Amino acid sequence: EAGVTQFPSHSVIEKGQTVTLRCDPISGHDNLYWYRRVMGKEIKFLLHFVKESKQDESGMPNNRFLAERTGGTYSTLKVQPAELEDSGVYFCASSQDYWDRASDYNEQFFGPGTRLTVL
Amino acid sequence: DQQVKQNSPSLSVQEGRISILNCDYTNSMFDYFLWYKKYPAEGPTFLISISSIKDKNEDGRFTVFLNKSAKHLSLHIVPSQPGDSAVYFCAASADSSGTYKYIFGTGTRLKVLA
Repeated sequence: EAGVTQFPSHSVIEKGQTVTLRCDPISGHDNLYWYRRVMGKEIKFLLHFVKESKQDESGMPNNRFLAERTGGTYSTLKVQPAELEDSGVYFCASSQDYWDRASDYNEQFFGPGTRLTVL
Repeated sequence: DQQVKQNSPSLSVQEGRISILNCDYTNSMFDYFLWYKKYPAEGPTFLISISSIKDKNEDGRFTVFLNKSAKHLSLHIVPSQPGDSAVYFCAASADSSGTYKYIFGTGTRLKVLA
């Protein structure tokens, strides 16, 4: 089974430019999450999709960030215009649509991340 | 304000000995805790979890302990192996409140010396 994939793996852009990150979750996973890790800090939640709907976008930094998940499959995260502080590693994760308390886990599977550098 | 804290940025342990990684949290609404392991240039991978109704969960060499009164959890790895060298992230979620996002700590870099 293929894992979560992200594209591109690296992106270097100049301040003011636009970048679009893509995430393909594990097939059949209704839940899709975006996280970001700024150098040496914690991995911070950005938002959560259930299918194509935004369930929780409380972590989105500002309106320069736009996430979409048309059709409930892959998701894109667009940053426009990019600022220096947007640099970091953007992780996407996906999980199944049920909570399995009996198994004592509800694992989110993470992709390898996209390293964004804004110069 | 960080709700999940890992106060030790790094830890070195001799191969074969026990590694103990610690994590503290402040939000009493957290009801699910996880440990993820991360190698360089890879995404975090799930290691072990524990729900708030338990105080211990074991999976092979890995055991997680939860002390709710102290708002503290720890990950024990025994025996430690060189392949365990990675960054370990503690995470928590408050699923009963209807949100499934993870709140992560800053990570602890574990180095297991051969």
